[in-house]
Amino acid sequence: AQKITQTQPGMFVQEKEAVTLDCTYDTSDPSYGLFWYKQPSSGEMIFLIYQGSYDQQNATEGRYSLNFQKARKSANLVISASQLGDSAMYFCAMREREYGNKLVFGAGTILRVKS
Amino acid sequence: DAGVIQSPRHEVTEMGQEVTLRCKPISGHDYLFWYRQTMMRGLELLIYFNNNVPIDDSGMPEDRFSAKMPNASFSTLKIQPSEPRDSAVYFCASSLPGSPHEQYFGPGTRLTVT
Repeated sequence: AQKITQTQPGMFVQEKEAVTLDCTYDTSDPSYGLFWYKQPSSGEMIFLIYQGSYDQQNATEGRYSLNFQKARKSANLVISASQLGDSAMYFCAMREREYGNKLVFGAGTILRVKS
Repeated sequence: DAGVIQSPRHEVTEMGQEVTLRCKPISGHDYLFWYRQTMMRGLELLIYFNNNVPIDDSGMPEDRFSAKMPNASFSTLKIQPSEPRDSAVYFCASSLPGSPHEQYFGPGTRLTVT
C-alpha cells in the first residue's frame, strides 16, 4: 500500500487566491512526522512545513499552513494568497519513528498559479 | 551558512563507466541522505548515514551502487558500472539530530548515462 498519496497530479489557482493540496498517509506508528517540500522548475527541494503526530495545533509558516486531520490521516497543505512564484511541484512526505529518519515521499502535485 | 553542496551538477557518461557523485552536508548536521529522483519512480531514498555510519541502505538498487562517508563533511555515491537506467537526478540532503529532523537538500546532480 502507498504510504503517502497525493491524488491531484496538477492544480491551477488564480493569483492571490488560496489553494489546498491534498495528502493522505498510511501508518500504524503512533509517532510520525509529516513534511511538505516545494520543487520549483529549477529542481531544488525546499522544505516548507512540518507537522508532528502529537502536535495539538495545525502548523503554520507564513502563507503556508497544514490542515492536519489525524483521524482521517490527512495532512493537506494550504497556501494562502498565491503568488506566481508558488508555481512548482509540491511533495508530501512522512517519517515514522519505527523507521528512523527515513522520509517517504508522495508522487507530488504540480501547482500552476495564473495571473 | 552554506547549504548542502553537490558536485558535479551535471554528468554525462557512457554505459559501463564509473560515476562518482559528491556531497558536502551543512556543517553541524549529523544525518546525511542520498535520494534518486526519476519520472517513473519519483523520489526514492537510497541510503542514509548518521555520524558517518550507514544506517539504512535498503534502498540501494544493486551492488553497482556504493556510498561512503569518510568524515562529517563529505560523502560519495559511486555507480560502477553505470547503465542507462541509472539516469536520474541524485540528491543529497542533511539534517540535524533533533526533532523534527527536516532535511535540507542540495541542488542535485543530473546524471545521464548513454
